[in-house]
Amino acid sequence: DIQMTQSPSTLSASVGDRVTITCRASQSISSRLAWYQQKPGKAPKLLIYKASSLESGVPSRFSGSGSGTEFTLTISSLQPDDFATYYCLLYNSNWTFGQGTKVEVK
Amino acid sequence: QVQLVESGGGVVQPGRSLRLSCVASGFTFSTFAMHWVRQGPGMGLEWVALIWYDGTNDQYADSVKGRFTISRDNSKNMLYLHMNSLRAEDAGVYYCAREGWVGGDRGWIDPWGQGTLVSVSS
Repeated sequence: DIQMTQSPSTLSASVGDRVTITCRASQSISSRLAWYQQKPGKAPKLLIYKASSLESGVPSRFSGSGSGTEFTLTISSLQPDDFATYYCLLYNSNWTFGQGTKVEVK
Repeated sequence: QVQLVESGGGVVQPGRSLRLSCVASGFTFSTFAMHWVRQGPGMGLEWVALIWYDGTNDQYADSVKGRFTISRDNSKNMLYLHMNSLRAEDAGVYYCAREGWVGGDRGWIDPWGQGTLVSVSS
């Protein structure tokens, strides 16, 4: 099975900061990666699919990049509503979530 | 709009069984694969199971293989998760979710229901 490693596990940042979260796959998964945002007590919200495609309605400050084994989620200018936990998802005939990254107030 | 509403969660003793249900609306249920995803208390997301659009194939996480069974009734727009031999580590929020689809692209998980809570305790 393909393993996913997401980093960092926690990220302390301030409003306006540029934030980057990384997911690495143990072997190539082409572009079959999605990113989600989750707030406490809520279901995950899709941000990015196919590594870099922005889900409809998601602010353009969110972007995804990468292919093969290394992928990044970037928030260009962190907003108050963005403090949450973020997960990547591999969907390459198996479905595996990353460990999660909690973005907290610095 | 798409809606997924789970039910059936509750408190169950270790070793016992429980069946979760999910009713879908707002899309053609019989044309989409469906997933169950869970989240233990304070933990990350864990994919649990998938069933094909027509129910002819399914896949499971190793942690539940042989104990859980995913099924669907396309005539009723219903998805189920039959959970047997429950363990303490099976506790958490269980989400019903649809296969994501945009144009010709599909495969990710979206949208999600609000979740149903399963507690395993004696």
